Amino acid sequence: QQQVKQSPQSLIVQKGGISIINCAYENTAFDYFPWYQQFPGKGPALLIAIRPDVSEKKEGRFTISFNKSAKQFSLHIMDSQPGDSATYFCAASIGQAGTALIFGKGTTLSVSS
Amino acid sequence: DTAVSQTPKYLVTQMGNDKSIKCEQNLGHDTMYWYKQDSKKFLKIMFSYNNKELIINETVPNRFSPKSPDKAHLNLHINSLELGDSAVYFCASSQSNGGGDEKYFGPGTRLTVT
Repeated sequence: QQQVKQSPQSLIVQKGGISIINCAYENTAFDYFPWYQQFPGKGPALLIAIRPDVSEKKEGRFTISFNKSAKQFSLHIMDSQPGDSATYFCAASIGQAGTALIFGKGTTLSVSS
Repeated sequence: DTAVSQTPKYLVTQMGNDKSIKCEQNLGHDTMYWYKQDSKKFLKIMFSYNNKELIINETVPNRFSPKSPDKAHLNLHINSLELGDSAVYFCASSQSNGGGDEKYFGPGTRLTVT
Protein backbone atom coordinates (compact mmCIF):
# COMPACT_ATOMS: atom_id res chain seq x y z
CA GLN A 1 0.00 0.00 0.00
CA GLN A 2 1.52 3.24 -1.13
CA GLN A 3 1.16 5.87 1.56
CA VAL A 4 2.21 8.83 -0.56
CA LYS A 5 0.94 9.06 -4.13
CA GLN A 6 2.65 11.47 -6.52
CA SER A 7 1.66 12.70 -9.96
CA PRO A 8 2.50 13.19 -12.73
CA GLN A 9 5.29 10.72 -13.31
CA SER A 10 6.90 13.07 -15.82
CA LEU A 11 6.42 16.69 -16.77
CA ILE A 12 7.67 18.86 -19.61
CA VAL A 13 7.45 22.60 -19.16
CA GLN A 14 8.70 25.48 -21.25
CA LYS A 15 11.20 27.90 -19.81
CA GLY A 16 9.38 30.54 -17.83
CA GLY A 17 6.33 28.36 -17.28
CA ILE A 18 4.85 27.01 -14.06
CA SER A 19 5.57 23.42 -13.00
CA ILE A 20 3.02 21.78 -10.73
CA ILE A 21 3.50 18.44 -8.99
CA ASN A 22 0.84 16.92 -6.80
CA CYS A 23 0.92 14.50 -3.89
CA ALA A 24 -1.71 12.83 -1.77
CA TYR A 25 -1.22 10.98 1.49
CA GLU A 26 -3.26 8.53 3.50
CA ASN A 27 -1.88 8.52 7.01
CA THR A 28 -3.40 11.39 8.99
CA ALA A 29 -0.60 11.05 11.54
CA PHE A 30 1.87 12.53 9.04
CA ASP A 31 2.85 16.02 10.13
CA TYR A 32 5.89 16.89 8.07
CA PHE A 33 5.83 17.18 4.28
CA PRO A 34 9.10 17.91 2.49
CA TRP A 35 9.97 18.05 -1.17
CA TYR A 36 13.33 16.73 -2.31
CA GLN A 37 15.16 17.46 -5.56
CA GLN A 38 17.48 14.95 -7.15
CA PHE A 39 19.84 15.51 -10.06
CA PRO A 40 21.23 12.55 -12.03
CA GLY A 41 24.02 10.80 -10.18
CA LYS A 42 23.38 12.76 -6.97
CA GLY A 43 21.58 12.15 -3.74
CA PRO A 44 18.24 13.82 -3.00
CA ALA A 45 18.44 17.26 -1.39
CA LEU A 46 15.77 19.08 0.58
CA LEU A 47 14.07 21.79 -1.45
CA ILE A 48 11.27 23.02 0.78
CA ALA A 49 9.08 21.60 3.53
CA ILE A 50 5.78 22.39 5.22
CA ARG A 51 3.85 21.45 8.34
CA PRO A 52 0.06 21.06 8.39
CA ASP A 53 -0.50 24.16 10.52
CA VAL A 54 -0.01 26.39 7.46
CA SER A 55 -1.64 26.17 4.03
CA GLU A 56 1.20 27.61 1.99
CA LYS A 57 4.93 28.15 2.17
CA LYS A 58 7.02 30.03 -0.34
CA GLU A 59 10.77 30.07 -0.82
CA GLY A 60 11.91 31.97 -3.87
CA ARG A 61 10.33 30.42 -6.95
CA PHE A 62 9.18 27.34 -5.04
CA THR A 63 5.83 27.16 -3.24
CA ILE A 64 4.13 24.34 -1.35
CA SER A 65 0.36 24.40 -1.13
CA PHE A 66 -1.15 22.20 1.55
CA ASN A 67 -4.76 21.04 1.91
CA LYS A 68 -5.16 19.17 5.17
CA SER A 69 -8.83 18.23 4.70
CA ALA A 70 -8.12 16.75 1.28
CA LYS A 71 -4.84 15.20 2.45
CA GLN A 72 -3.06 16.70 -0.52
CA PHE A 73 -0.07 18.95 -1.08
CA SER A 74 1.60 20.28 -4.16
CA LEU A 75 4.80 21.91 -5.35
CA HIS A 76 4.66 24.89 -7.66
CA ILE A 77 7.79 26.04 -9.46
CA MET A 78 7.33 29.51 -10.89
CA ASP A 79 9.36 30.79 -13.85
CA SER A 80 10.76 27.31 -14.44
CA GLN A 81 14.35 27.23 -15.68
CA PRO A 82 16.37 24.55 -17.50
CA GLY A 83 18.44 24.20 -14.33
CA ASP A 84 15.28 23.01 -12.56
CA SER A 85 15.29 19.86 -14.70
CA ALA A 86 15.55 17.08 -12.15
CA THR A 87 13.49 14.45 -10.35
CA TYR A 88 11.26 15.76 -7.57
CA PHE A 89 10.04 13.67 -4.69
CA CYS A 90 7.35 14.51 -2.23
CA ALA A 91 7.59 12.81 1.14
CA ALA A 92 5.91 12.59 4.49
CA SER A 93 6.82 11.60 7.99
CA ILE A 94 5.55 11.57 11.53
CA GLY A 95 7.37 14.10 13.63
CA GLN A 96 9.12 11.74 16.02
CA ALA A 97 12.82 11.39 16.57
CA GLY A 98 14.51 9.43 13.83
CA THR A 99 11.37 8.88 11.81
CA ALA A 100 12.11 7.91 8.24
CA LEU A 101 10.61 9.67 5.26
CA ILE A 102 8.00 7.92 3.13
CA PHE A 103 8.57 9.04 -0.44
CA GLY A 104 6.30 9.40 -3.42
CA LYS A 105 7.45 7.73 -6.63
CA GLY A 106 8.97 10.88 -8.06
CA THR A 107 8.33 13.25 -10.96
CA THR A 108 10.89 13.80 -13.67
CA LEU A 109 10.74 17.44 -14.72
CA SER A 110 12.23 18.64 -17.99
CA VAL A 111 12.30 22.35 -18.66
CA SER A 112 12.85 23.13 -22.30
CA SER A 113 14.65 26.26 -23.37
CA ASP B 1 33.89 19.19 3.22
CA THR B 2 31.50 16.42 2.28
CA ALA B 3 28.65 16.15 4.80
CA VAL B 4 27.64 12.55 4.08
CA SER B 5 30.07 10.36 2.19
CA GLN B 6 29.74 6.83 0.88
CA THR B 7 32.24 4.35 -0.48
CA PRO B 8 32.40 2.91 -2.99
CA LYS B 9 30.42 4.95 -5.51
CA TYR B 10 30.13 1.98 -7.86
CA LEU B 11 30.13 -1.68 -6.91
CA VAL B 12 29.92 -4.50 -9.45
CA THR B 13 29.86 -8.02 -8.12
CA GLN B 14 28.58 -11.50 -8.83
CA MET B 15 25.63 -13.30 -7.35
CA GLY B 16 26.36 -15.02 -4.09
CA ASN B 17 29.12 -12.66 -3.02
CA ASP B 18 29.18 -10.67 0.22
CA LYS B 19 29.83 -6.93 0.04
CA SER B 20 29.82 -3.85 2.25
CA ILE B 21 29.05 -0.19 1.67
CA LYS B 22 30.48 2.38 4.05
CA CYS B 23 28.87 5.62 5.14
CA GLU B 24 30.25 8.49 7.21
CA GLN B 25 28.71 11.79 8.23
CA ASN B 26 30.59 14.75 9.68
CA LEU B 27 27.51 16.76 10.67
CA GLY B 28 27.31 15.51 14.24
CA HIS B 29 23.86 14.06 13.58
CA ASP B 30 22.43 11.42 15.87
CA THR B 31 20.40 9.44 13.33
CA MET B 32 21.52 7.69 10.17
CA TYR B 33 19.55 5.86 7.49
CA TRP B 34 19.91 3.57 4.54
CA TYR B 35 17.56 4.02 1.59
CA LYS B 36 17.29 1.90 -1.55
CA GLN B 37 16.44 3.49 -4.91
CA ASP B 38 15.31 1.02 -7.54
CA SER B 39 15.53 1.28 -11.31
CA LYS B 40 12.29 3.29 -11.36
CA LYS B 41 13.81 5.80 -8.92
CA PHE B 42 11.55 4.76 -6.07
CA LEU B 43 13.18 5.55 -2.71
CA LYS B 44 12.43 3.21 0.15
CA ILE B 45 13.71 3.23 3.71
CA MET B 46 15.69 0.18 4.75
CA PHE B 47 17.15 1.00 8.15
CA SER B 48 17.45 3.79 10.65
CA TYR B 49 19.95 4.06 13.49
CA ASN B 50 19.54 6.52 16.35
CA ASN B 51 22.44 6.81 18.79
CA LYS B 52 23.68 3.40 17.66
CA GLU B 53 20.31 1.76 18.19
CA LEU B 54 18.26 0.28 15.37
CA ILE B 55 14.84 1.92 15.47
CA ILE B 56 13.47 1.03 12.06
CA ASN B 57 13.81 -2.21 10.17
CA GLU B 58 11.45 -2.35 7.24
CA THR B 59 10.70 -5.57 5.38
CA VAL B 60 14.28 -6.04 4.30
CA PRO B 61 15.79 -9.53 3.87
CA ASN B 62 18.06 -10.51 6.73
CA ARG B 63 20.89 -10.78 4.19
CA PHE B 64 21.14 -7.04 4.75
CA SER B 65 22.63 -5.95 8.04
CA PRO B 66 23.49 -2.43 9.16
CA LYS B 67 26.43 -1.96 11.46
CA SER B 68 27.19 1.25 13.31
CA PRO B 69 30.62 1.35 14.97
CA ASP B 70 29.97 4.88 16.20
CA LYS B 71 27.53 7.74 15.78
CA ALA B 72 29.26 9.02 12.64
CA HIS B 73 29.26 5.75 10.70
CA LEU B 74 26.60 3.39 9.44
CA ASN B 75 27.81 0.60 7.18
CA LEU B 76 25.64 -1.75 5.18
CA HIS B 77 26.64 -5.38 4.82
CA ILE B 78 24.96 -7.57 2.24
CA ASN B 79 25.38 -11.33 2.19
CA SER B 80 24.65 -13.74 -0.65
CA LEU B 81 23.92 -11.01 -3.17
CA GLU B 82 21.06 -11.55 -5.59
CA LEU B 83 20.23 -9.98 -8.96
CA GLY B 84 17.33 -8.12 -7.36
CA ASP B 85 19.69 -6.31 -5.02
CA SER B 86 20.92 -4.21 -7.93
CA ALA B 87 19.99 -0.63 -7.08
CA VAL B 88 21.39 2.63 -5.82
CA TYR B 89 21.82 2.71 -2.06
CA PHE B 90 21.76 6.04 -0.26
CA CYS B 91 22.97 6.76 3.20
CA ALA B 92 21.44 9.74 4.99
CA SER B 93 21.68 11.45 8.32
CA SER B 94 19.63 13.85 10.39
CA GLN B 95 19.54 15.55 13.76
CA SER B 96 16.38 14.44 15.44
CA ASN B 97 14.78 17.28 17.30
CA GLY B 98 11.35 15.80 17.86
CA GLY B 99 9.89 16.60 14.46
CA GLY B 100 10.53 17.28 10.81
CA ASP B 101 14.28 16.86 10.73
CA GLU B 102 15.99 17.47 7.40
CA LYS B 103 17.69 14.41 5.99
CA TYR B 104 21.08 14.90 4.35
CA PHE B 105 21.75 12.28 1.70
CA GLY B 106 25.05 10.91 0.51
CA PRO B 107 25.94 10.64 -3.19
CA GLY B 108 24.79 7.05 -3.42
CA THR B 109 26.39 3.70 -4.22
CA ARG B 110 25.30 2.02 -7.42
CA LEU B 111 25.34 -1.71 -6.83
CA THR B 112 25.22 -4.01 -9.85
CA VAL B 113 24.89 -7.73 -9.30
CA THR B 114 25.68 -9.92 -12.31
